[in-house]
Amino acid sequence: QVQLQQSGPGLVKPSQTLSLTCAISGDSVSSKSGTWNWIRQSPSRGLEWLGRTYYRSEWYMDYAVSVKSRVIVNADTSKNQFSLQLNSVTPEDTAVYFCARLDATGSEAFDVWGPGTLVAVSP
Amino acid sequence: SYELTQPPSVSVSPGQTARITCSGDVLPKQYASWYQQKPGQAPVLVIYKDNERPSGIPERFSGASSGTTVTLTISGVQAEDEADYYCHSGNNRDTWVFGGGTKLTVL
Repeated sequence: QVQLQQSGPGLVKPSQTLSLTCAISGDSVSSKSGTWNWIRQSPSRGLEWLGRTYYRSEWYMDYAVSVKSRVIVNADTSKNQFSLQLNSVTPEDTAVYFCARLDATGSEAFDVWGPGTLVAVSP
Repeated sequence: SYELTQPPSVSVSPGQTARITCSGDVLPKQYASWYQQKPGQAPVLVIYKDNERPSGIPERFSGASSGTTVTLTISGVQAEDEADYYCHSGNNRDTWVFGGGTKLTVL
């Protein structure tokens, strides 16, 4: 059974960097069938996909246009986890952040989700 | 605005059939999936590839696709089905999009 466990601070100051980590159990971040994603949810923006990383003989990353200049999604194979870095945050980045696996060779959907982390951007 | 359009709310009585639509230009070219989200919880996949049901999801949940619209149908709605429902699909720029969500109220 695949599980995702999130960690990271719940409060970030404006202009600083939001950093979250998602630890994977029951699967590998290097899996050839999964992609590893960050999604956020806020009342004003709904569910918003932010970016992903995946391994297909080499590492790939893709990002949403809305955050592309500020976001990095990285994998750490030694710890079997992946991370989100969002730079230069503003109060508009206040949201619940989820990590999620997308099964790229089966359902082609987000079949496993982390529990979510509420991150507030405030002085 | 969202690239995938859903009605904000749908209301049904217990035992009736609820239908939630999702419209978008990408839908004829990309699979859609549906997620159920209850307050304070992460979304749960209930339909993938337009009409496939993951193991553990009740048979009363079904999906269909026609042109630029996909539909989630919940037959014999139960009180426990009250939740927010989101559609999801890929877009033409190799990224993912979600609908704005539909609040299902069981009267």
